[in-house]
Amino acid sequence: DTGVSQDPRHKITKRGQNVTFRCDPISEHNRLYWYRQTLGQGPEFLTYFQNEAQLEKSRLLSDRFSAERPKGSFSTLEIQRTEQGDSAMYLCASSSWTGGRYNSPLHFGNGTRLTVT
Amino acid sequence: GQQVMQIPQYQHVQEGEDFTTYCNSSTTLSNIQWYKQRPGGHPVFLIQLVKSGEVKKQKRLTFQFGEAKKNSSLHITATQTTDVGTYFCAGPRSGGYQKVTFGTGTKLQVIP
Repeated sequence: DTGVSQDPRHKITKRGQNVTFRCDPISEHNRLYWYRQTLGQGPEFLTYFQNEAQLEKSRLLSDRFSAERPKGSFSTLEIQRTEQGDSAMYLCASSSWTGGRYNSPLHFGNGTRLTVT
Repeated sequence: GQQVMQIPQYQHVQEGEDFTTYCNSSTTLSNIQWYKQRPGGHPVFLIQLVKSGEVKKQKRLTFQFGEAKKNSSLHITATQTTDVGTYFCAGPRSGGYQKVTFGTGTKLQVIP
C-alpha cells in the first residue's frame, strides 16, 4: 500500500490558463473522490467515481471543471480558464467499497495546492 | 440541503486538559466518520460509527453517535501536543450515492 499520490504538489498559474492535476489512488480501491479545501474550511466535495464511472458531480462545480478516470485507475481533474477563486488545495481520496450500506473510510493524498495569480 | 456543523470552531487548551468537539447534522445519518488533519497535512481517518448510541474508544479518544443519529461527539482526555490539528466529522449525503460531506471542523491548539 503506497497510499494515494497526487501530482503536482504545487501549481501556480495565471488567470485564464488551464491546469490539470493527477491522482493515483490506492491500487485496490474502486472509488475515487475529488475534494477542494480552502483555508479554515472542511473539504468540499467535487465529484466521485466508482471504477471508471463518474457517479456524481457537485452542483456547485462550474462547467470549467472536468474529471476523468479512463481506466478505473488514476484520475485527472482539469480546470479550464482558471479564476482567482479557484485557488485552493485540491484533495484526492480513494476508498474500497464492497457494496455495504455504509460509506467506506477515505484515504487522502497530500493534495495539489493551486494558486491562481 | 444537508449541513454538518461542528462546534466549537476553535479550541485552545492547556496540555493535560480535556477537549470535546460536537458534530450536528440537519438530517439523520446512516453512519458518521471522524478525521484528523494536522497542520499542513491531509485528513486522516480515525473511526466510523454506525449504530444509534454507539460509543467507541481509541486510547484517550472517545467517540459517540447520538441516539437519533443526527449528532456525534469526540472527546479527548488529557490532551497532548500531538493532538494538535483540525478534527472533522463526515457523513453520507442523505439518499443518492455515497458522497461524503465534511463538517466545518474544530481546530484544536494545545498549549504546552
